[in-house]
Amino acid sequence: KAGVTQTPRYLIKTRGQQVTLSCSPISGHRSVSWYQQTPGQGLQFLFEYFSETQRNKGNFPGRFSGRQFSNSRSEMNVSTLELGDSALYLCASSLGPGGGNSPLHFGNGTRLTVT
Amino acid sequence: AQRVTQPEKLLSVFKGAPVELKCNYSYSGSPELFWYVQYSRQRLQLLLRHISRESIKGFTADLNKGETSFHLKKPFAQEEDSAMYYCALTDTGNQFYFGTGTSLTVIP
Repeated sequence: KAGVTQTPRYLIKTRGQQVTLSCSPISGHRSVSWYQQTPGQGLQFLFEYFSETQRNKGNFPGRFSGRQFSNSRSEMNVSTLELGDSALYLCASSLGPGGGNSPLHFGNGTRLTVT
Repeated sequence: AQRVTQPEKLLSVFKGAPVELKCNYSYSGSPELFWYVQYSRQRLQLLLRHISRESIKGFTADLNKGETSFHLKKPFAQEEDSAMYYCALTDTGNQFYFGTGTSLTVIP
């Protein structure tokens, strides 16, 4: 089975712009969650989608949004980019909502740099 | 509220020495605990989960509800164990909470 695929791998944007990141889960996985990874903060949860519905949302401003399509692919959008948004954005998929029976499978991430 | 705490950002041990990566959690219910690992140039991946009570690559972790800890242990560290380790917890809502990670370096 192909793993979780994230595109693009690298992005460079300027402040004020917006960006869309894409995540294709493992075939058959219906849950997709997004994380922001930074050296100082570790992994911070952004949101989780299951069957096209947002189940959980982390403590991030409304500039961060996402959606999930009927094929379980997910996109994350960040509007009005700020320098502090520079990070590695990880997507993870699981069969069902995350838990002991549905461990997370991570993608390689999208490295976003905001200048 | 911080649910998962990993007090050590960096940890160095010599090859063959025992290693323990600490993880403490804050949750009143019955959480599910995990350890995830990220080797150099690889994606983050599941190492082990407490409900399986398994040993992976020589690592074990015991859930201590009294001390609210889930420390990761290995009796004899190997160079290939050098990686970033994250402790994680899920609650009844199935949302994952990750610690800030511990970077383990095994010195040859």
